[in-house]
Amino acid sequence: KAGVTQTPRYLIKTRGQQVTLSCSPISGHRSVSWYQQTPGQGLQFLFEYFSETQRNKGNFPGRFSGRQFSNSRSEMNVSTLELGDSALYLCASSPHNEQFFGPGTRLTVL
Amino acid sequence: GENVEQHPSTLSVQEGDSAVIKCTYSDSASNYFPWYKQELGKGPQLIIDIRSNVGEKKDQRIAVTLNKTAKHFSLHITETQPEDSAVYFCAASTEGNTPLVFGKGTRLSVIA
Repeated sequence: KAGVTQTPRYLIKTRGQQVTLSCSPISGHRSVSWYQQTPGQGLQFLFEYFSETQRNKGNFPGRFSGRQFSNSRSEMNVSTLELGDSALYLCASSPHNEQFFGPGTRLTVL
Repeated sequence: GENVEQHPSTLSVQEGDSAVIKCTYSDSASNYFPWYKQELGKGPQLIIDIRSNVGEKKDQRIAVTLNKTAKHFSLHITETQPEDSAVYFCAASTEGNTPLVFGKGTRLSVIA
């Protein structure tokens, strides 16, 4: 089976812009979770989608949003980018409880 | 909410020696404890997990132990090899209910 794919792999934006990241889960996995990884804060949970519905949400501002499509693919959006949003954004797909991560999207905000 | 503490933050061992990484969790309702290995430029890879109805689980050179009473769990890697060098993360959750909460990671270096 193909693994979790994330696009793009690298992204450079400037403050105030918005960005959309994409995640394709492993075939058959209906749950997709998003995490932000930074050197200072480690891996922090953003949100989880299951069957197109947000099932859990982490403690991030409303500038961070996501959605899931009927084919389980997911996108996350960050509006009004801040310097502190620079991070590796990881997507994980899950058949039940085990989570399988993609390679991540490295976002740099200048 | 859940809080996971992980120690040590860095660990250096000689090739062939054992490595132990320890985590504690705060929420007694947590019942699922995975371990991930992250290599440079890659996403975390699930290497082993344990559920609260089991005290120990082993997979070749890797083992995980869980002490529910003390709320701590540990990763043991035996006969370490240079390719074991990576950052290791522990995590905890209430299966099917809450998202994973991760420890801050341990950078393991295996010296040949």
